[in-house]
Amino acid sequence: QVQVVESGGGVVQPGRSLRLSCAASGFRFNSHGFHWVRQAPGKGLEWMALIWYDGSIKKYADSVKGRFTISRDDSRSTLYLQMNSLRVEDTAVYYCGRDIGFGSCDLWGQGTLVTVSS
Amino acid sequence: QSALAQPPSASGSPGQSVTISCTGTNSDIGASDYVSWYQLHPGKAPKLVIYEVNKRPSGVPDRFSGSKSGNTASLTVSGLQAEDEAVYYCNSFAAQWVILGGGTKLTVL
Repeated sequence: QVQVVESGGGVVQPGRSLRLSCAASGFRFNSHGFHWVRQAPGKGLEWMALIWYDGSIKKYADSVKGRFTISRDDSRSTLYLQMNSLRVEDTAVYYCGRDIGFGSCDLWGQGTLVTVSS
Repeated sequence: QSALAQPPSASGSPGQSVTISCTGTNSDIGASDYVSWYQLHPGKAPKLVIYEVNKRPSGVPDRFSGSKSGNTASLTVSGLQAEDEAVYYCNSFAAQWVILGGGTKLTVL
């Protein structure tokens, strides 16, 4: 079955770290770039980061640059988002998306909820 | 990285057509043939409905169409159906950068 499944969300205190995972199955993982986007409660989608199919290019939104790191492990068909120095405003549902070319994602997971609260 | 500008809401009756605009700049939409549109239902994963300005992924009804003129992209939903009620987001890819729109809530009256 072609799918991506996010995990790793939870409740974390401000300033702490969390690592999200996105496990892919049913397709050739190393043929695709991937994106992370998020949706805060009551807000719109916000693009977070992208990684090229070969990991050679990584880009980040200004709001997370320097705090979040996107990476991939092709041997595990898994995408990661390492989130450091978390802030209350990082509270959101985080989705990973499979890029089919030029920023278009045709496959998304159901998301994982991250709550940053003291 | 300013978000692409979308109207906050749009509406139409069943069977009618609705067009949602997405306005950017010469640096994003104006410079790119890579504009996508996503449909988001509450509690569901985003769904790609248009990519590369006017292409439809397999399984997306031909009631959904996209276009672009200058710095503005548009999504048209024809023959509105109840299940089209959702929030729609545009997305531009230019210079290895992604910019999303603020979203438009489409209401089927």
